[in-house]
Amino acid sequence: AQTVTQSQPEMSVQEAETVTLSCTYDTSENNYYLFWYKQPPSRQMILVIRQEAYKQQNATENRFSVNFQKAAKSFSLKISDSQLGDTAMYFCAWGMEYGNKLVFGAGTILRVKS
Amino acid sequence: GAGVSQSPSNKVTEKGKDVELRCDPISGHTALYWYRQSLGQGLEFLIYFQGNSAPDKSGLPSDRFSAERTGGSVSTLTIQRTQQEDSAVYLCASRVYAGNYGYTFGSGTRLTVV
Repeated sequence: AQTVTQSQPEMSVQEAETVTLSCTYDTSENNYYLFWYKQPPSRQMILVIRQEAYKQQNATENRFSVNFQKAAKSFSLKISDSQLGDTAMYFCAWGMEYGNKLVFGAGTILRVKS
Repeated sequence: GAGVSQSPSNKVTEKGKDVELRCDPISGHTALYWYRQSLGQGLEFLIYFQGNSAPDKSGLPSDRFSAERTGGSVSTLTIQRTQQEDSAVYLCASRVYAGNYGYTFGSGTRLTVV
């Protein structure tokens, strides 16, 4: 069974600084996808970034980038130039292209301070 | 609609009562998922519908939980004889069956059993 582990329950960062959220996973599959979702207090789950396991190049979306280490089964999220609006719960998730579900980590609460 | 719609947004019910939670997915999304998020926790998979296939009910925690999807569109999650431990946010997500297009989530229903 697949598992996703986020070892940082809470993180804080100063506005405009950079922060990295950690995620590790376990799977015997070779082709899969990894996601980072953001959940603000509104409860809406917002897709931040996704990575295809067959791609070696790390995904980037504006201020958000990942460090994908397939052999180490590690998938960290880097947020550059942190903004107050980045304050939220962040979830790492694993899934298959034709999979029946996403497997989520327990989440990391990120607080951006002014 | 443009997004995944869930109703009600909030529901308070007395212990022992039955509740129905509704999810209206994005038009054309053949896959529909229900997740449960207990306070401060990650997302727990409940059930998955894909087209006309038999649903994957492997995540339902007890036989008090059931779900149906009518006409391949709207889904209803029913919890019978609610217990206090059922208090949680129930999130629905939908997606196109294949591909890495990501899952679109609704804003969830916060269920409180008193």
